Order: sequence, then structure tokens, then C-alpha cells
Amino acid sequence: AQTVTQSQPEMSVQEAETVTLSCTYDTSESDYYLFWYKQPPSRQMILVIRQEAYKQQNATENRFSVNFQKAAKSFSLKISDSQLGDAAMYFCAYRRNTDKLIFGTGTRLQVFP
Amino acid sequence: SAVISQKPSRDICQRGTSLTIQCQVDSQVTMMFWYRQQPGQSLTLIATANQGSEATYESGFVIDKFPISRPNLTFSTLTVSNMSPEDSSIYLCSVEGSARNTEAFFGQGTRLTVV
Repeated sequence: AQTVTQSQPEMSVQEAETVTLSCTYDTSESDYYLFWYKQPPSRQMILVIRQEAYKQQNATENRFSVNFQKAAKSFSLKISDSQLGDAAMYFCAYRRNTDKLIFGTGTRLQVFP
Repeated sequence: SAVISQKPSRDICQRGTSLTIQCQVDSQVTMMFWYRQQPGQSLTLIATANQGSEATYESGFVIDKFPISRPNLTFSTLTVSNMSPEDSSIYLCSVEGSARNTEAFFGQGTRLTVV
């Protein structure tokens, strides 16, 4: 069965600095999708970034980028120039084709001014 | 993208009662998903709701406890039946994007507290 592991329950970063959130997953599949979702206190799940496993190039969305290491089954999220509004729970998620999303346990990110 | 309206946003209920949560999408979708997020935990899929057929429940979740309706392609309800304090959670509705294998979109969640 596929599993997603986030080994950092909490992380903190100074405003304007860079932080990296870790995620590893376990799968025997070669074709799948990976996501990072942000959940602020409002509870709304917001997609931050997605990566198709067949693409070698790491996805980038403005200040957010990933380091996708397929062989190592690692999918870390880098947040550059951190802002106070980045404070939230971050969930890594895996999905094979049209199967359900499998979420990691989450990392709470605090941003200090 | 899809805009999802979920109601109520929060409720406090007495144990032994039932609460029905509504999820309305601004476009037609094939599958709708219901998740539970217990305090401080990750999201766990309860069931997948297809229009015109019975919902498919994940291990650990049963229809008698979490009956789901899917009367059309834009609407679904989840009922939490015979509630106990252990049912206190956030319940989220989700749909897939229109293109295959795109990300999931979520409602704003319902925070349920059972007293």
C-alpha cells in the first residue's frame, strides 16, 4: 500500500528566509502525481504545487519549488522569501492515476517576523 | 478550478443526534469525496460518492454511520449519525478537477463538535 511520510511535525522560519519541508512516500508505481497542500487556520485546503512523476523537471510556482527525487521517493517543498501568510499546516499528498489522494501527517509551519 | 460551498461551516451537536453536511459545486463533477480530519491529524477519506450509485466507503467507515446522498452531479450530503464526542472533527468535501489527474479542490470544511 502507498504511504506518505512527513517527518517534521513542526518547522519555523524567519520572515524572508527559506525553509524546506520534507516528504517521502512509498509506492511500487511508476506513474503517479504528488502534491503539496496548505491548510491555514481557515481550514481551506489550498493547492500549493503539483508534480507529475514522469516529469524530471522540478515544479516551481513563484516562491514555492519542489525537489523531486523519484529514485529516492522524496518530494520536498522549498519556500523562499517566507511571508507571514505562509504560516499554515502543509500536507504532502500522493495520487496514482484516478485513485484517491493519500495524505501525509502534515507539518505545521510557523513564520516569525 | 471548482468552487465548492460547504454548509454548515461549524456546529455544536448533542451526542446521539445526527448532522447532515451539504456540499454544492459550481460545475458538474463525476466523483465527490468526503474526508474526516480529526483534531491535529491528517485527512482520512471516508467515502467516494458517484451520482446514481451507492457511495464507496473506505475501511473503517460504514454507511449506517455516515450515509451519503448524491442526487445530481453538483450536490452531495454526508450525514454523521448517532454522534458521539469521538466524531468531533472537521469534515471536508472534495472534487477532482475537470481534466484527468488534476488536483483535488476542497470545500472550506465543517467543524463539528459533539458534546
